[in-house]
Formats: sequence, structure tokens, C-alpha cells
Amino acid sequence: ETGVTQTPRHLVMGMTNKKSLKCEQHLGHNAMYWYKQSAKKPLELMFVYNFKEQTENNSVPSRFSPECPNSSHLFLHLHTLQPEDSALYLCASSQEEGESYEQYFGPGTRLTVT
Amino acid sequence: GQNIDQPTEMTATEGAIVQINCTYQTSGFNGLFWYQQHAGEAPTFLSYNVLDGLEEKGRFSSFLSRSKGYSYLLLKELQMKDSASYLCAVSDGDYKLSFGAGTTVTVRA
Repeated sequence: ETGVTQTPRHLVMGMTNKKSLKCEQHLGHNAMYWYKQSAKKPLELMFVYNFKEQTENNSVPSRFSPECPNSSHLFLHLHTLQPEDSALYLCASSQEEGESYEQYFGPGTRLTVT
Repeated sequence: GQNIDQPTEMTATEGAIVQINCTYQTSGFNGLFWYQQHAGEAPTFLSYNVLDGLEEKGRFSSFLSRSKGYSYLLLKELQMKDSASYLCAVSDGDYKLSFGAGTTVTVRA
């Protein structure tokens, strides 16, 4: 069983909808990450949180809004998305940011924007 | 920006050996990771190299040459379950992971 869970696993939403993706890690890690994975493209780092503080916003459009209420939970709030935002959204965690610790990934949320 | 290149696809026969190459150009270097990702599943950690040389872990080995900006992942005694995408990722000077697009390995009977 993975130590990082994500819900929902699949999501279809219209461009005017508001939805949220949830990530939870049970590994006692202090850093959490959001990545976007599009077909045939490299994983793109979106946001990084270290000890609940956002340390990276990789030029992500404001229609994506992260929230990290504690070190175990990470949310990605979505609003007025575009069809090109359809992708697999992966959450990951690691012991800390700032060191080369391996990252543990969740199974992802497959998002389709119609 | 970061540039990480790896082949798109490779095919090999069950029981054979396959070598997946990865070349990188990044602003700083704090290690190179290999991840395995089966279709529809999460990437899982395979190996980490920060010093030059070969790291062996069972059927999988990973090699790094920092001066050449080059790594490879060697899969020996291929099994059908090894069919997956293999992702090369480099930790840059800010400890951020930059990923290659992945190499899809297909193992045939």
C-alpha cells in the first residue's frame, strides 16, 4: 500500500467548474510536491511545500491554487481551467526539501477538462 | 533551463539486457534518480547516484559520469513485469527535480 494517497483518481470537469484535488501522505515527511504529467512530456514541477511553507511556484497559472494546511495534507484547488490543463496530476512527498531525498509519489488524479 | 534527454521507446526480449541512456545539462547537480512507472500507476524509486560509478541493486544497475553529464540504467534478465516507463530525473543546484520525458520499455516473450 502506497504511503501517498490521492483523491479523486479520475475527474472530469467543465471549464467553469471549481474542484479540488487532495493528497495525503502517511510517511511523516515534511516536504510535499505537485507535478503535472502530460502525455509524452516530462513531469513538470508545479508547487513545493516544505514544513507547510510554499517554497516554489514554478510559474503556474493562477487558476491552480495550492493549499497545505499541515505537513500531511496538500490540496490543489482548480477553477476556470482550460482543455490544455487535462493531464495526470501527481503528488509526491519527501523527508525534506533542500536535500536529495527520494520522492514518494501518489497514484495521481487523471483530470479531463471539457 | 534544464535539459534531460532519454530515448522515447525501447523493445527487448524476455531474459535479455536493456540499457537506457540519459544525458543531462542542468544548472547545478545534486544527484540523479531513476524511477519506474507502470501505466496508470505512481512512479516508484529505483536508484540514486551522486558519485561517479556503478550502483548495483539486484537485476537493476545505474551508472553515472558527472563529467560527461551521462547516466544509464541497466536492466538484466528482463521479465514481462519490467514493461514500464523509466524516468531519469536530476536534482539541480536548488535540489529541484527535473525529469526527462521517460523511456517506454516493452518486454516481449
